[in-house]
Amino acid sequence: DVKVTQSSRYLVKRTGEKVFLECVQDMDHENMFWYRQDPGLGLRLIYFSYDVKMKEKGDIPEGYSVSREKKERFSLILESASTNQTSMYLCASSFLGGSFDEQFFGPGTRLTVL
Amino acid sequence: AQSVTQPDIHITVSEGASLELRCNYSYGATPYLFWYVQSPGQGLQLLLKYFSGDTLVQGIKGFEAEFKRSQSSFNLRKPSVHWSDAAEYFCAVGGASGGSYIPTFGRGTSLIVHP
Repeated sequence: DVKVTQSSRYLVKRTGEKVFLECVQDMDHENMFWYRQDPGLGLRLIYFSYDVKMKEKGDIPEGYSVSREKKERFSLILESASTNQTSMYLCASSFLGGSFDEQFFGPGTRLTVL
Repeated sequence: AQSVTQPDIHITVSEGASLELRCNYSYGATPYLFWYVQSPGQGLQLLLKYFSGDTLVQGIKGFEAEFKRSQSSFNLRKPSVHWSDAAEYFCAVGGASGGSYIPTFGRGTSLIVHP
């Protein structure tokens, strides 16, 4: 069974902390994505990566960075967490060109920043 | 630029009733269209997708969707809703746009099922 796993389902951090969200996929997909999901706003793309060490900004990259050192792993980093980054974070992966094939999603990490 | 509109934020239906969730898209060429479902506390799961061919697409869990180019729509339907269908539903459009190959999601429709 294909899988996208995320390191934590729930995370509570304090303002100013550095936060790492990890995502691993076992499907040998080239593309990996980080989304933020907030009520009424749907999914907003933070960053995506189409290859190892490659990354592209999405719609809302401010306050975030990413790392992709291995094909199967894509990390989202909050350098200095703020309360407005409290949200659900979803990782996804896909084959080929992203738009032309379905995305597979992880279960999400609900992050609370106090 | 591509965009997706899901006009209904919430839809409430009774169990056993039929369902239609609306999705309108904007895209300059033939779109690639998707419907995903998100059960409470879960990630998104693909219900169905349309690339080309027959405009009526069958998906999992008894769902279907119809692509109507003239109306720029890709509405999701189910003839008889079950309580387990209560979830958030997302329509997405994909395609090359400005060199990117990134799908665009609608804001979602929350389905509430009454017994």
